[in-house]
Amino acid sequence: EPEVTQTPSHQVTQMGQEVILRCVPISNHLYFYWYRQILGQKVEFLVSFYNNEISEKSEIFDDQFSVERPDGSNFTLKIRSTKLEDSAMYFCASIQDRANTEAFFGQGTRLTVV
Amino acid sequence: GQQLNQSPQSMFIQEGEDVSMNCTSSSIFNTWLWYKQDPGEGPVLLIALYKAGELTSNGRLTAQFGITRKDSFLNISASIPSDVGIYFCAGRINNNDMRFGAGTRLTVKP
Repeated sequence: EPEVTQTPSHQVTQMGQEVILRCVPISNHLYFYWYRQILGQKVEFLVSFYNNEISEKSEIFDDQFSVERPDGSNFTLKIRSTKLEDSAMYFCASIQDRANTEAFFGQGTRLTVV
Repeated sequence: GQQLNQSPQSMFIQEGEDVSMNCTSSSIFNTWLWYKQDPGEGPVLLIALYKAGELTSNGRLTAQFGITRKDSFLNISASIPSDVGIYFCAGRINNNDMRFGAGTRLTVKP
Protein backbone atom coordinates (compact mmCIF):
# COMPACT_ATOMS: atom_id res chain seq x y z
CA GLU A 1 0.00 0.00 0.00
CA PRO A 2 1.43 3.42 -0.89
CA GLU A 3 2.54 5.50 2.04
CA VAL A 4 4.02 8.85 2.93
CA THR A 5 7.60 8.49 4.12
CA GLN A 6 9.52 10.96 6.23
CA THR A 7 13.19 11.20 7.03
CA PRO A 8 14.87 11.34 9.40
CA SER A 9 12.71 9.78 12.08
CA HIS A 10 14.56 11.75 14.75
CA GLN A 11 16.82 14.76 14.46
CA VAL A 12 18.69 16.52 17.21
CA THR A 13 20.04 19.96 16.40
CA GLN A 14 21.61 22.86 18.21
CA MET A 15 19.66 26.05 18.64
CA GLY A 16 20.30 28.41 15.76
CA GLN A 17 21.11 25.65 13.29
CA GLU A 18 19.20 25.05 10.10
CA VAL A 19 17.30 21.80 9.66
CA ILE A 20 15.62 20.26 6.66
CA LEU A 21 12.88 17.71 7.17
CA ARG A 22 12.14 15.50 4.21
CA CYS A 23 8.94 13.90 3.03
CA VAL A 24 8.11 11.73 0.05
CA PRO A 25 4.37 11.99 -0.52
CA ILE A 26 2.37 9.31 -2.28
CA SER A 27 3.33 9.51 -5.93
CA ASN A 28 0.02 10.56 -7.55
CA HIS A 29 -0.96 12.99 -4.83
CA LEU A 30 -1.18 16.69 -5.57
CA TYR A 31 -1.72 18.45 -2.24
CA PHE A 32 0.93 18.45 0.47
CA TYR A 33 0.94 19.59 4.06
CA TRP A 34 3.14 20.02 7.06
CA TYR A 35 1.76 19.76 10.57
CA ARG A 36 3.46 20.11 13.92
CA GLN A 37 2.69 18.44 17.20
CA ILE A 38 4.41 19.59 20.35
CA LEU A 39 4.69 16.67 22.76
CA GLY A 40 1.33 15.79 24.22
CA GLN A 41 -0.46 18.61 22.47
CA LYS A 42 -2.71 19.01 19.47
CA VAL A 43 -1.73 18.63 15.84
CA GLU A 44 -1.21 22.13 14.40
CA PHE A 45 -1.41 23.12 10.77
CA LEU A 46 1.71 24.77 9.37
CA VAL A 47 1.38 25.00 5.61
CA SER A 48 -0.31 23.58 2.54
CA PHE A 49 1.31 23.36 -0.88
CA TYR A 50 -0.19 22.83 -4.30
CA ASN A 51 1.06 23.36 -7.83
CA ASN A 52 4.52 24.30 -6.61
CA GLU A 53 3.40 27.07 -4.34
CA ILE A 54 2.11 27.65 -0.86
CA SER A 55 -1.69 27.77 -0.85
CA GLU A 56 -2.13 28.57 2.82
CA LYS A 57 0.01 28.94 5.92
CA SER A 58 -0.67 29.41 9.59
CA GLU A 59 0.68 32.05 11.94
CA ILE A 60 3.21 29.50 13.15
CA PHE A 61 4.77 29.37 9.68
CA ASP A 62 6.85 32.54 9.94
CA ASP A 63 9.91 33.69 8.00
CA GLN A 64 12.02 31.00 9.64
CA PHE A 65 10.09 28.31 7.79
CA SER A 66 10.09 27.47 4.12
CA VAL A 67 8.88 24.58 1.99
CA GLU A 68 10.06 23.26 -1.30
CA ARG A 69 9.33 20.49 -3.75
CA PRO A 70 12.72 20.40 -5.40
CA ASP A 71 12.45 17.41 -7.68
CA GLY A 72 8.82 16.38 -8.08
CA SER A 73 9.27 13.67 -5.47
CA ASN A 74 10.47 15.16 -2.21
CA PHE A 75 8.62 17.78 -0.19
CA THR A 76 10.84 19.51 2.33
CA LEU A 77 10.34 21.73 5.33
CA LYS A 78 13.27 23.96 6.24
CA ILE A 79 13.69 25.77 9.52
CA ARG A 80 16.43 28.35 9.09
CA SER A 81 17.45 29.08 12.65
CA THR A 82 15.94 26.64 15.07
CA LYS A 83 14.64 27.69 18.46
CA LEU A 84 14.06 25.53 21.50
CA GLU A 85 10.31 25.86 21.01
CA ASP A 86 10.60 24.30 17.55
CA SER A 87 11.08 20.94 19.28
CA ALA A 88 8.11 18.85 18.19
CA MET A 89 6.95 16.05 15.95
CA TYR A 90 6.57 17.24 12.38
CA PHE A 91 4.13 15.37 10.17
CA CYS A 92 3.89 15.49 6.44
CA ALA A 93 0.60 14.61 4.76
CA SER A 94 -0.68 14.36 1.23
CA ILE A 95 -4.05 14.25 -0.48
CA GLN A 96 -4.68 12.88 -3.94
CA ASP A 97 -6.85 15.63 -5.33
CA ARG A 98 -9.40 18.24 -4.36
CA ALA A 99 -12.27 15.80 -4.56
CA ASN A 100 -10.61 13.28 -2.28
CA THR A 101 -10.51 14.30 1.32
CA GLU A 102 -8.50 11.47 2.85
CA ALA A 103 -5.14 12.74 3.97
CA PHE A 104 -2.36 10.23 4.47
CA PHE A 105 0.21 11.05 7.10
CA GLY A 106 3.83 10.07 7.40
CA GLN A 107 5.26 8.61 10.59
CA GLY A 108 6.69 11.96 11.56
CA THR A 109 10.09 13.42 12.33
CA ARG A 110 10.86 14.12 15.96
CA LEU A 111 12.89 17.32 16.08
CA THR A 112 14.77 18.06 19.27
CA VAL A 113 16.45 21.44 19.56
CA VAL A 114 19.05 21.66 22.31
CA GLY B 1 -10.69 31.28 12.89
CA GLN B 2 -11.56 27.70 12.17
CA GLN B 3 -11.25 26.48 15.74
CA LEU B 4 -12.41 23.03 16.70
CA ASN B 5 -13.36 22.29 20.29
CA GLN B 6 -12.93 18.63 21.13
CA SER B 7 -14.10 16.99 24.31
CA PRO B 8 -13.39 15.35 26.57
CA GLN B 9 -9.65 15.92 26.80
CA SER B 10 -9.11 12.49 28.31
CA MET B 11 -11.07 9.40 29.26
CA PHE B 12 -10.28 6.48 31.51
CA ILE B 13 -12.60 3.55 30.94
CA GLN B 14 -12.86 -0.15 31.63
CA GLU B 15 -12.48 -2.64 28.84
CA GLY B 16 -15.88 -3.38 27.36
CA GLU B 17 -17.33 0.05 27.99
CA ASP B 18 -18.60 2.33 25.26
CA VAL B 19 -16.90 5.66 24.56
CA SER B 20 -18.19 8.88 23.09
CA MET B 21 -16.29 12.00 22.11
CA ASN B 22 -17.27 15.03 20.09
CA CYS B 23 -16.09 18.11 18.28
CA THR B 24 -17.83 21.42 17.81
CA SER B 25 -16.96 24.56 15.95
CA SER B 26 -18.37 27.97 15.20
CA SER B 27 -17.39 27.37 11.56
CA ILE B 28 -19.20 25.22 9.03
CA PHE B 29 -17.20 22.32 7.67
CA ASN B 30 -17.82 20.33 4.50
CA THR B 31 -15.94 17.30 5.72
CA TRP B 32 -15.33 15.86 9.16
CA LEU B 33 -12.60 13.34 9.75
CA TRP B 34 -11.65 11.27 12.75
CA TYR B 35 -8.06 10.15 13.26
CA LYS B 36 -6.33 7.96 15.79
CA GLN B 37 -2.73 8.47 16.81
CA ASP B 38 -0.69 5.79 18.53
CA PRO B 39 2.41 6.87 20.47
CA GLY B 40 5.26 7.86 18.16
CA GLU B 41 3.13 7.41 15.06
CA GLY B 42 1.36 9.70 12.65
CA PRO B 43 -2.43 10.09 12.70
CA VAL B 44 -4.33 7.34 10.91
CA LEU B 45 -7.72 8.02 9.38
CA LEU B 46 -10.60 6.14 11.01
CA ILE B 47 -13.72 7.61 9.48
CA ALA B 48 -14.48 10.34 6.95
CA LEU B 49 -17.86 12.10 6.81
CA TYR B 50 -18.92 14.07 3.77
CA LYS B 51 -22.57 15.03 4.22
CA ALA B 52 -24.52 16.73 6.96
CA GLY B 53 -26.43 14.14 8.94
CA GLU B 54 -24.30 11.28 7.64
CA LEU B 55 -23.82 8.40 10.05
CA THR B 56 -20.94 6.07 9.21
CA SER B 57 -19.62 2.98 10.92
CA ASN B 58 -16.26 1.28 10.75
CA GLY B 59 -16.37 -1.85 12.86
CA ARG B 60 -16.94 -0.81 16.45
CA LEU B 61 -16.59 2.86 15.52
CA THR B 62 -19.52 5.06 14.58
CA ALA B 63 -19.32 8.72 13.67
CA GLN B 64 -21.88 11.30 12.66
CA PHE B 65 -21.67 14.57 10.80
CA GLY B 66 -23.95 17.03 12.57
CA ILE B 67 -26.91 18.53 10.74
CA THR B 68 -25.61 22.05 11.29
CA ARG B 69 -22.22 20.99 9.85
CA LYS B 70 -20.60 22.48 12.92
CA ASP B 71 -20.17 19.32 14.96
CA SER B 72 -19.40 15.63 14.87
CA PHE B 73 -19.20 12.78 17.33
CA LEU B 74 -17.31 9.51 17.45
CA ASN B 75 -18.51 6.49 19.40
CA ILE B 76 -16.48 3.40 20.16
CA SER B 77 -18.45 0.41 21.36
CA ALA B 78 -17.15 -2.41 23.55
CA SER B 79 -13.70 -0.89 23.99
CA ILE B 80 -10.62 -3.10 23.97
CA PRO B 81 -7.06 -2.37 25.17
CA SER B 82 -5.79 -1.60 21.66
CA ASP B 83 -8.23 1.30 21.45
CA VAL B 84 -5.79 3.22 23.64
CA GLY B 85 -4.45 6.31 21.92
CA ILE B 86 -5.30 9.87 21.06
CA TYR B 87 -8.33 10.51 18.88
CA PHE B 88 -8.44 13.67 16.82
CA CYS B 89 -11.30 15.22 14.93
CA ALA B 90 -10.45 17.27 11.87
CA GLY B 91 -12.55 19.49 9.69
CA ARG B 92 -12.14 20.78 6.20
CA ILE B 93 -13.86 23.77 4.63
CA ASN B 94 -13.74 24.82 0.99
CA ASN B 95 -9.99 24.81 0.80
CA ASN B 96 -7.34 22.22 1.09
CA ASP B 97 -6.59 22.51 4.77
CA MET B 98 -7.55 20.48 7.75
CA ARG B 99 -7.92 21.87 11.22
CA PHE B 100 -7.54 19.50 14.11
CA GLY B 101 -9.19 19.36 17.49
CA ALA B 102 -6.97 19.15 20.56
CA GLY B 103 -7.48 15.41 20.84
CA THR B 104 -9.08 13.00 23.29
CA ARG B 105 -6.62 10.74 25.10
CA LEU B 106 -8.24 7.38 25.69
CA THR B 107 -7.01 4.95 28.33
CA VAL B 108 -8.63 1.50 28.54
CA LYS B 109 -8.12 -0.50 31.70
CA PRO B 110 -8.26 -4.27 31.28
